[in-house]
Amino acid sequence: DVKVTQSSRYLVKRTGEKVFLECVQDMDHENMFWYRQDPGLGLRLIYFSYDVKMKEKGDIPEGYSVSREKKERFSLILESASTNQTSMYLCASCPWGATTEAFFGQGTRLTVV
Amino acid sequence: AQSVTQLDSQVPVFEEAPVELRCNYSSSVSVYLFWYVQYPNQGLQLLLKYLSGSTLVKGINGFEAEFNKSQTSFHLRKPSVHISDTAEYFCAVRYQKVTFGTGTKLQVIP
Repeated sequence: DVKVTQSSRYLVKRTGEKVFLECVQDMDHENMFWYRQDPGLGLRLIYFSYDVKMKEKGDIPEGYSVSREKKERFSLILESASTNQTSMYLCASCPWGATTEAFFGQGTRLTVV
Repeated sequence: AQSVTQLDSQVPVFEEAPVELRCNYSSSVSVYLFWYVQYPNQGLQLLLKYLSGSTLVKGINGFEAEFNKSQTSFHLRKPSVHISDTAEYFCAVRYQKVTFGTGTKLQVIP
């Protein structure tokens, strides 16, 4: 079974802190994604990566950056956390090719106070 | 550009009744279509997908969906729902990246 693991289920951070959300997949997938999920807004794509060191902005990249130094790991970085970044963050991965579904981690619920 | 519309944010239905969750999409290229389910405090799990061929697709837990190219729709159906089907359901399209709808919360009433 494909496994996508997010390092934390729940996280509480203070405004202005630098926050790292880590995601690891064990199936050698080329593509990895970070989404945020908010009530009534569904899943919105923040960034995605189709290869090591490659990244593309999604629909809401402002306030975020990403890092992909190894194929299995995709990190989401909040340079200076703000309260409007309180949300559920979901990581996903999938192989190259549009016919394959994305596999999701369990999510990280981030609260910024 | 691609987009997905789920018009119903919440759908209440009695146990053992049928249900349909609606999904419409738009895209300038051919895409592949998916339905995911999210149970409380969990990630998303694939229910079914349409890639090509038969327009009626069967998935897990008794769900099925029908692809209608002319109406650009991919509605999800189940003939008889169970309490355990209470969850949020997301329709998605994929070309390169995956784009999701805003979700429909299915509430099954005993």
